[in-house]
Amino acid sequence: EDKVVQSPLSLVVHEGDTVTLNCSYEVTNFRSLLWYKQEKKAPTFLFMLTSSGIEKKSGRLSSILDKKELFSILNITATQTGDSAIYLCAVEVNGNKLVFGAGTILRVKS
Amino acid sequence: NAGVTQTPKFRVLKTGQSMTLLCAQDMNHEYMYWYRQDPGMGLRLIHYSVGEGTTAKGEVPDGYNVSRLKKQNFLLGLESAAPSQTSVYFCASSYTPDSFRFTDTQYFGPGTRLTVL
Repeated sequence: EDKVVQSPLSLVVHEGDTVTLNCSYEVTNFRSLLWYKQEKKAPTFLFMLTSSGIEKKSGRLSSILDKKELFSILNITATQTGDSAIYLCAVEVNGNKLVFGAGTILRVKS
Repeated sequence: NAGVTQTPKFRVLKTGQSMTLLCAQDMNHEYMYWYRQDPGMGLRLIHYSVGEGTTAKGEVPDGYNVSRLKKQNFLLGLESAAPSQTSVYFCASSYTPDSFRFTDTQYFGPGTRLTVL
């Protein structure tokens, strides 16, 4: 059975802190790993990772994939209250289907 | 472009009632998906469609049916609602016509909050 596990389940930090969110997976036929941010409603796309060791960066957010150890991390530096959200990790398997983790709830306090 | 839209936004049903959730996308996407999101469980795929007239089961298909009569619409039906189907339902779509390509980003609708009493 395909499985994606995220940790921690929830996290509270202060503005300016750096956070690291973890995603590990066990799937057959891995194709890519995706990170989404979910605020009040629909998840919005952050990154797609397909190759090991290549960091993807967007502003204060960055992510990297390790296909040997089967995990990915999402880093957020200099956190702001607007970063408060649920961060979802998903792995694409055959048939263009996504298997999601349970998510990490991040709360950034001012 | 409206992107992905879902109707209704909220619904309360009694056990045994039926309803249909409508998803519409105006991006000419081939693939469409229905997920449910429950606390602590992330998003789970119910059914999906790789093109007009085709549907396939996802991870949790029991109790649901779907239809894709038009490319832009994907309907999710509950024939006899149960309290276990209380959830937030998300529709998504993506382009991905070629199975050898990496998937295009899935774009999500705003969700439908369904409560079954």
